[in-house]
Amino acid sequence: AQSVSQHNHHVILSEAASLELGCNYSYGGTVNLFWYVQYPGQHLQLLLKYFSGDPLVKGIKGFEAEFIKSKFSFNLRKPSVQWSDTAEYFCAVNARGSSASKIIFGSGTRLSIRP
Amino acid sequence: DARVTQTPRHKVTEMGQEVTMRCQPILGHNTVFWYRQTMMQGLELLAYFRNRAPLDDSGMPKDRFSAEMPDATLATLKIQPSEPRDSAVYFCASGSSGDYYNEQFFGPGTRLTVL
Repeated sequence: AQSVSQHNHHVILSEAASLELGCNYSYGGTVNLFWYVQYPGQHLQLLLKYFSGDPLVKGIKGFEAEFIKSKFSFNLRKPSVQWSDTAEYFCAVNARGSSASKIIFGSGTRLSIRP
Repeated sequence: DARVTQTPRHKVTEMGQEVTMRCQPILGHNTVFWYRQTMMQGLELLAYFRNRAPLDDSGMPKDRFSAEMPDATLATLKIQPSEPRDSAVYFCASGSSGDYYNEQFFGPGTRLTVL
């Protein structure tokens, strides 16, 4: 069975600090990987996704994530955070190609940015 | 701009009352997912459909919850009778099983409060 672990439950940073949020998954086959963001009071929005090719994926708002297959990891990074990045971030995985398969979400990491 | 829509956006009801939440998936999408989000449990998958047929509703309390797709443009989630512990934000998401990558698009959610 697939599972996703996000070990950081709450991260607090100052503006301009660098960010890295950890995500590890467990699944033996080929996977699609996602990061979703949920701003306060809003719904989940796709931040970036990895399907194949370059393991370094660039998303919206200056975010990027690196897929390291050997480590089963897909960590999210941003070199310099802003106050507006305050949100909850969800890593997610599903099995490649399986029709209508579930996306398994991690428990989320709440990011708080001090102005 | 294609979006998943959900109604109502907010619902306050008393314990024991029936609650019906509605979701209109993105036109052309044939998979629909219902999630519940709470502070304590995070994001939980309740049920999902492909081509209007339920594929998995193991995450849903069967005694009081029911999910249906009367047609391709409407998904409903019903709680009868409602209880205070059902208070949560309920998200609907849609996708396409013809999409190899299984990306899901989320609606704005229904915030349910059961008194």
